[in-house]
This record gives sequence, structure tokens and C-alpha cells, in this order.
Amino acid sequence: DTGVSQDPRHKITKRGQNVTFRCDPISEHNRLYWYRQTLGQGPEFLTYFQNEAQLEKSRLLSDRFSAERPKGSFSTLEIQRTEQGDSAMYLCASSSTKSLTGTDTQYFGPGTRLTVL
Amino acid sequence: QKEVEQDPGPLSVPEGAIVSLNCTYSNSAFQYFMWYRQYSRKGPELLMYTYSSGNKEDGRFTAQVDKSSKYISLFIRDSQPSDSATYLCAMSYGSGNTGKLIFGQGTTLQVKP
Repeated sequence: DTGVSQDPRHKITKRGQNVTFRCDPISEHNRLYWYRQTLGQGPEFLTYFQNEAQLEKSRLLSDRFSAERPKGSFSTLEIQRTEQGDSAMYLCASSSTKSLTGTDTQYFGPGTRLTVL
Repeated sequence: QKEVEQDPGPLSVPEGAIVSLNCTYSNSAFQYFMWYRQYSRKGPELLMYTYSSGNKEDGRFTAQVDKSSKYISLFIRDSQPSDSATYLCAMSYGSGNTGKLIFGQGTTLQVKP
């Protein structure tokens, strides 16, 4: 399977614990995005990378959130001191700026569903 | 007011019906318009994208963009039970900018056999 993969698919944690999610993009895609989706809502942009550089962060991304893409391939999203309000689906998407469409068509992974008790 | 507005539904239609899904937006800087389909507990799947105003057809799906009215639509012809899903509209400024997508809330569609 050459699509975007995410791990784990589900995570249940207690309030105050730290969690880390991993995203493996489509091979050779140079852009990687993180979104958060709560029940009944569309995905909301969190942050994105072009290669290893983090170029934009949403105001939704509080100081407890950190994302990395150290070698321009896979990415991790860490949430420290989790709160119940962090419960959501965390989606990763990747794209290529070399696309001929004029826009970097984003392909999404299956998501990581986080439940904070 | 959200940048992208989409009626959450739910929308229930009989099999074979023509379905019309719509979004409105407020930011005239959006250049690219996408429709994603999302099945329950899955990631969004890209259906179609369009640039600027006009129509685009792909099989049973037709996407329309009217930039003057800030209104986009997705039509599904001969709807099937397998089309039952949440449909998300999304917009971007173009890859020369951030490329981030701004999504609508999503419309839940149920096609009854």
C-alpha cells in the first residue's frame, strides 16, 4: 500500500499523559499536513511541513502540541499534558508541490482517534 | 462566521436520485475547490477538485464553482447506497501559498435502497 499511513489508529489515554502519533506520507511527497477533526465537524488545519521545515502553525496548536519532520519523510505529532478537549481524530495528509494540477492535491491517511479520559 | 459554510444535513434520498450538495464561502482569495468523501471513522478521500469558476465532470459526479456568488456545488447522478457518506467541501489559496485546506462542516448523505 503506497498511501498515507498513520500509527496508532486508536489511542486512549488519561488526562495529563503525553501521547505521540506518527504519520508516513506517500513516498516523495514533499509536503505533510496535520489536521484535527472533532465529531460532526470538518478537519481543521494544525500545521504543515515542506520537506523538514515547519512553515505554518495554526493558532489551534497550543504550546502543548509539537510536530516534527526530522528527515523530510515521516512526521510525529506530540501532545503533552493531554486534556479532555484534545479528544479528536488527528489526520495527516501529504502532497507534492511538483503536481501538475497547480495545487498540491492532498491525500489523507486513516487518522488516529484520540480519546482522553 | 466561518470562512466556509456547509449544511450538515443529514440528507436522505432514494437510490437513483440526483443529489445536490453545496457550500458557500466568504474569502474571495480561494482559488482551488475540492470535494472529499469521508466514510465513518475513515480519512477523507478526494473526489474532485476545480480551479476557478466553471464545471467539471467525472463519471456520476459534477462539480460547479461560481466565484462571483462564492458558491460551489457537487452533483451526484444515479445515487447508489455506496455513496452514503459525509461529503466535505474544501478550499485553498493554491500551492504557491500554504496549500492548507479550509473545510466545511460536511454534509451527511444517506442513499436508501
